[in-house]
Amino acid sequence: AQRVTQPEKLLSVFKGAPVELKCNYSYSGSPELFWYVQYSRQRLQLLLRHISRESIKGFTADLNKGETSFHLKKPFAQEEDSAMYYCALSVNRNTGGFKTIFGAGTRLFVKA
Amino acid sequence: GAGVSQTPSNKVTEKGKYVELRCDPISGHTALYWYRQSLGQGPEFLIYFQGTGAADDSGLPNDRFFAVRPEGSVSTLKIQRTERGDSAVYLCASSSTTGSPWAGELFFGEGSRLTVL
Repeated sequence: AQRVTQPEKLLSVFKGAPVELKCNYSYSGSPELFWYVQYSRQRLQLLLRHISRESIKGFTADLNKGETSFHLKKPFAQEEDSAMYYCALSVNRNTGGFKTIFGAGTRLFVKA
Repeated sequence: GAGVSQTPSNKVTEKGKYVELRCDPISGHTALYWYRQSLGQGPEFLIYFQGTGAADDSGLPNDRFFAVRPEGSVSTLKIQRTERGDSAVYLCASSSTTGSPWAGELFFGEGSRLTVL
């Protein structure tokens, strides 16, 4: 069965400190992984996807198939990074489209 | 607007009542998803539609929950004989399954907060 695990419910760091939000997944096929973010009073939105290997707002995430991990990192946290972060796994379906499952989320709090 | 729209934004009902939640996806998006988010949890998959048909309804918790998308656009999530445990935020998302590389991105609505008293 597919599963996404985010072990930390809350992560608190000081502004300027490095950040790493952990994500591990369980899936027997080839995974498509994403990070979604929800800022206060805003809707859930895509932050980045592993397939495009992009850096958004200074965040990066590397897929490690050996460790089945997709940790989100940023070298210098900013106060505006405070939000809920969800790791997500998408499974391509033979019937077309895909199914996306989410982890429980990690709340990042960046202190001034 | 061009985003995913959900109505109502808030719904308070009594135990045992019937509830309908509506989702209007982004125009042209063929895939539509319903998720449920309880306090302190991530979005929990309920059902997804590819066009008019339910491609995967494995997340619906029981037969009190049902969803339709008759014309391949607007979807309605229906909950019969509501229970207090149904209280949650119900999220709708849509996605384009075309394009290269594989699109994958879900566009979410703001959610419908359901409270069952």
